[in-house]
Amino acid sequence: GAVVSQHPSRVICKSGTSVKIECRSLDFQATTMFWYRQFPKQSLMLMATSNEGSKATYEQGVEKDKFLINHASLTLSTLTVTSAHPEDSSFYICSAGDSYSNQPQHFGDGTRLSIL
Amino acid sequence: DAKTTQPPSMDCAEGRAANLPCNHSTISGNEYVYWYRQIHSQGPQYIIHGLKNNETNEMASLIITEDRKSSTLILPHATLRDTAVYYCIVRVASGYSTLTFGKGTMLLVSP
Repeated sequence: GAVVSQHPSRVICKSGTSVKIECRSLDFQATTMFWYRQFPKQSLMLMATSNEGSKATYEQGVEKDKFLINHASLTLSTLTVTSAHPEDSSFYICSAGDSYSNQPQHFGDGTRLSIL
Repeated sequence: DAKTTQPPSMDCAEGRAANLPCNHSTISGNEYVYWYRQIHSQGPQYIIHGLKNNETNEMASLIITEDRKSSTLILPHATLRDTAVYYCIVRVASGYSTLTFGKGTMLLVSP
């Protein structure tokens, strides 16, 4: 079945560091990928929609200069948390669906980001 | 806001069937019912989806009422590894459309 790979699975870094998270679709092309954030004991919240070859669409309240999204190919989207602070600590998850079929979206295994 | 309503938690004995309900009274004609589950500290896992007919795969069965206002996910023989948060989501079937997650149902399978 469709597989989405997310890397790294866990990051611990100092405040002020920028962190890049990669999301890859392994066996299908994805013109659109999605980035979510999940705080403890809460549900997934959509942060942004990543569009291949164009700018990402951000949800209300999500700072586009803080969370940089690049979707340079049909199989790779990256999320960069710039100048991360402790309040950015969260579980970040990406998803992707085959843009050329009606198959369901699949999710990566998530990235646990901890800012000290 | 999520367009579905689910009970916050359910318990099930190992080996028994787990029946998870979902209400989606405002579902549109072109929206499918999707079920995902999330095991602790992992990304959500796709389970099954359907439009109006009942569906079955190797993981579960999905029963959708005739008026499509509610559905039930059935895990026929629950195991301890089925303990997870189960999300019922309605959306159009397209790789471009987003998934809006509600609070889901926390299913606890006990020995």
